[in-house]
Amino acid sequence: KQEVTQIPAALSVPEGENLVLNCSFTDSAIYNLQWFRQDPGKGLTSLLLIQSSQREQTSGRLNASLDKSSGRSTLYIAASQPGDSATYLCAVLSYGQNFVFGPGTRLSVLP
Amino acid sequence: DADVTQTPRNRITKTGKRIMLECSQTKGHDRMYWYRQDPGLGLRLIYYSFDVKDINKGEISDGYSVSRQAQAKFSLSLESAIPNQTALYFCATSGRGQHTDTQYFGPGTRLTVL
Repeated sequence: KQEVTQIPAALSVPEGENLVLNCSFTDSAIYNLQWFRQDPGKGLTSLLLIQSSQREQTSGRLNASLDKSSGRSTLYIAASQPGDSATYLCAVLSYGQNFVFGPGTRLSVLP
Repeated sequence: DADVTQTPRNRITKTGKRIMLECSQTKGHDRMYWYRQDPGLGLRLIYYSFDVKDINKGEISDGYSVSRQAQAKFSLSLESAIPNQTALYFCATSGRGQHTDTQYFGPGTRLTVL
């Protein structure tokens, strides 16, 4: 059974810093990995989707990488802004299973 | 208008009551999902449906039931609510290309069972 963990659970940084969020998964037989953003009181919004054959995906200031062999993905946020404050979740779709979500990293970017 | 809507957004009920949470989508997707979110546990899958005639149990289906009334509508019922079902509930949809499509989430229903 796939298990997904995220480190750190919470992170607080000053505005302008570059930062990295980590996601680990136990079973490398995956179809894809996705990063979502969740704002308080709202649903999840997809940020990036990486197929199993890909190594990374980029969208604006966000870059997500995937290393299947080590069971890891990172989400890199460049030049962080207060508007980036939210909870970030990764989710893994594995063979024969549905999406499995990590517990999330709660990010606070201080002005 | 939102692509995935959920009603109600907030609900407080008492132990033993029957509760229905509703989800509607305008994305034209066949696949619909119900998740619950608890602090520190991420999202866990309750039920999912790949089309109107297809219903499948997820990781934590005990105490819940679902109905897929139409392609666009997927309801979650708690037959006899208990306090440990207090959580944030999300509906989601995805297209047929399950391995390439993302999931689209509703805004969530915050349920409190007293």
